[in-house]
Amino acid sequence: AQRVTQPEKLLSVFKGAPVELKCNYSYSGSPELFWYVQYSRQRLQLLLRHISRESIKGFTADLNKGETSFHLKKPFAQEEDSAMYYCARNPGYSSASKIIFGSGTRLSIRP
Amino acid sequence: DSGVTQTPKHLITATGQRVTLRCSPRSGDLSVYWYQQSLDQGLQFLIQYYNGEERAKGNILERFSAQQFPDLHSELNLSSLELGDSALYFCASSVDWKTQYFGPGTRLLVL
Repeated sequence: AQRVTQPEKLLSVFKGAPVELKCNYSYSGSPELFWYVQYSRQRLQLLLRHISRESIKGFTADLNKGETSFHLKKPFAQEEDSAMYYCARNPGYSSASKIIFGSGTRLSIRP
Repeated sequence: DSGVTQTPKHLITATGQRVTLRCSPRSGDLSVYWYQQSLDQGLQFLIQYYNGEERAKGNILERFSAQQFPDLHSELNLSSLELGDSALYFCASSVDWKTQYFGPGTRLLVL
């Protein structure tokens, strides 16, 4: 079965410290990987996609096919980064594909 | 604002009852997805519709059903409600199944 694993339910770091949110996926074909973010009392929104290779709000994520990982990183955490982060994947081969979300990691930035 | 709307915002009902949640996708988006977010289960994909037809099914209970109408809005029907059905129900839409835009959610409380 296709899976997305986020091993940490909660990650707490100090402001200014580096952040790494882990995500591993089960390998199948050529998946597309995403990170979604949900700030307090707001809707879920796309943060970034692996194919875009972009940096959003200082966050980057590199797809490592060898390790089947797509960890989200930021060198210096800010208080406004506190949110729930979900890693997600699409199998990438069909319009009927269903996106699969990880269980989420709550990131808490301490002042 | 992603352009996806959901009504109602909050719903309080009793066990055994039936409720209908409504979702209007972004203009032009043919796909609608339904998700359930609960504290213990995280974000769970329920079902996807594409241009009126069911395309993918996730962890949707038999007590739950959905449909997408010709104007592309969708409804999620939850019947014989149980306490454990209390959750936040999200709708998302997409034009190309790759990037999903989420609505604000409907918070359901079953007493």
